[in-house]
Amino acid sequence: QKEVEQNSGPLSVPEGAIASLNCTYSDRGSQSFFWYRQYSGKSPELIMFIYSNGDKEDGRFTAQLNKASQYVSLLIRDSQPSDSATYLCAVKHGSSNTGKLIFGQGTTLQVKP
Amino acid sequence: DAGVTQSPTHLIKTRGQHVTLRCSPISGHKSVSWYQQVLGQGPQFIFQYYEKEERGRGNFPDRFSARQFPNYSSELNVNALLLGDSALYLCASSLLGQGIYGYTFGSGTRLTVV
Repeated sequence: QKEVEQNSGPLSVPEGAIASLNCTYSDRGSQSFFWYRQYSGKSPELIMFIYSNGDKEDGRFTAQLNKASQYVSLLIRDSQPSDSATYLCAVKHGSSNTGKLIFGQGTTLQVKP
Repeated sequence: DAGVTQSPTHLIKTRGQHVTLRCSPISGHKSVSWYQQVLGQGPQFIFQYYEKEERGRGNFPDRFSARQFPNYSSELNVNALLLGDSALYLCASSLLGQGIYGYTFGSGTRLTVV
């Protein structure tokens, strides 16, 4: 079992729809969760981070965390073609004093005009 | 403000050669981490340095080494290059070693080993 799992996709949604990206993780000690967006040929860009159970909203983005189910998701409202990218879920082990992030393989999102 | 800067942007090397990749963190950031990203996969952790000390090492062979300088910039060295070392090498910086607010990545160095 991979430590952080994501459906590779592609996930295709029409412009204006809600895109839902999911991620599961195996280490119950994980405490910090990050979503990165990566355009083709570019480096990852941090979109959101979340530490507590529940929802965290930032503009069109909402991160949701459920530690009991070891599940974190990212919702993108009013999806735009410019949102088309690979979305990487990353998890940091809570017991670690280091900054090691464990990444999933990423989900490719396609927003069709 | 300058972000995380990496050099070079692209590099082609021959099997068996040595390579040095460089990274300058965001001003004021004391932590630098290195990741390897092969095509179609998420980044994999190689090293982290905080305050010039190694804080973490990923599952990479001893051919990979790194260091951090007094100005917090960092180098990643890879010896005896293999074809499988071809990847995008990413440097990430954060203010604190634990990356509480996440990590900012540089634009990366794309290494091709032929």
